[in-house]
Amino acid sequence: NAGVTQTPKFRVLKTGQSMTLLCAQDMNHEYMYWYRQDPGMGLRLIHYSVGEGTTAKGEVPDGYNVSRLKKQNFLLGLESAAPSQTSVYFCASSQRSGRASTDTQYFGPGTRLTVL
Amino acid sequence: QKEVEQDPGPLSVPEGAIVSLNCTYSNSAFQYFMWYRQYSRKGPELLMYTYSSGNKEDGRFTAQVDKSSKYISLFIRDSQPSDSATYLCAMRGAGGTSYGKLTFGQGTILTVHP
Repeated sequence: NAGVTQTPKFRVLKTGQSMTLLCAQDMNHEYMYWYRQDPGMGLRLIHYSVGEGTTAKGEVPDGYNVSRLKKQNFLLGLESAAPSQTSVYFCASSQRSGRASTDTQYFGPGTRLTVL
Repeated sequence: QKEVEQDPGPLSVPEGAIVSLNCTYSNSAFQYFMWYRQYSRKGPELLMYTYSSGNKEDGRFTAQVDKSSKYISLFIRDSQPSDSATYLCAMRGAGGTSYGKLTFGQGTILTVHP
């Protein structure tokens, strides 16, 4: 199993450009998440999905859009990139079981994005 | 004020030392507490998980939760160079709508030198 994979690993954008980050998981998990990680800020939730076709806003959703057309994929879009979106982006997935869950979120390796 | 505060360090200790990592939080609704470990240029991975107050031990790692003080700790005994990483605390409330909505601390950078 590859677990959670992210594409691309690195990207440099100019202000105003758009791009899509792709996350894929092969664990058949229902829940998927997009985080950003900035120095001194920890991980902050951007958007999440509780199942195919559903998405919801997290803590810092402005400037981002997401789609979950297939259960295994979760896409994060930046329509008009800004320097403030320079960050490391992590995707994660988890499976909620019938009994109390351990909240184990499985993370991808991250995408390093620089917006000039 | 952030909901979860964690001293970012960095923390440098000699091999074999006992390491204490801590987080404080302000939201009394938090019921589930986790520690994630993140190696350089990698994604975080779950290390320890506890529910409500108390202790949990797993090998060289012990997680403690003191809900009355809103304080959680991770202890690493006999620390090894391979423990060098960033340690992130995370927590969430109870109830179905809280599932998956983790609030993370800033992370503490730990270096264990031989």
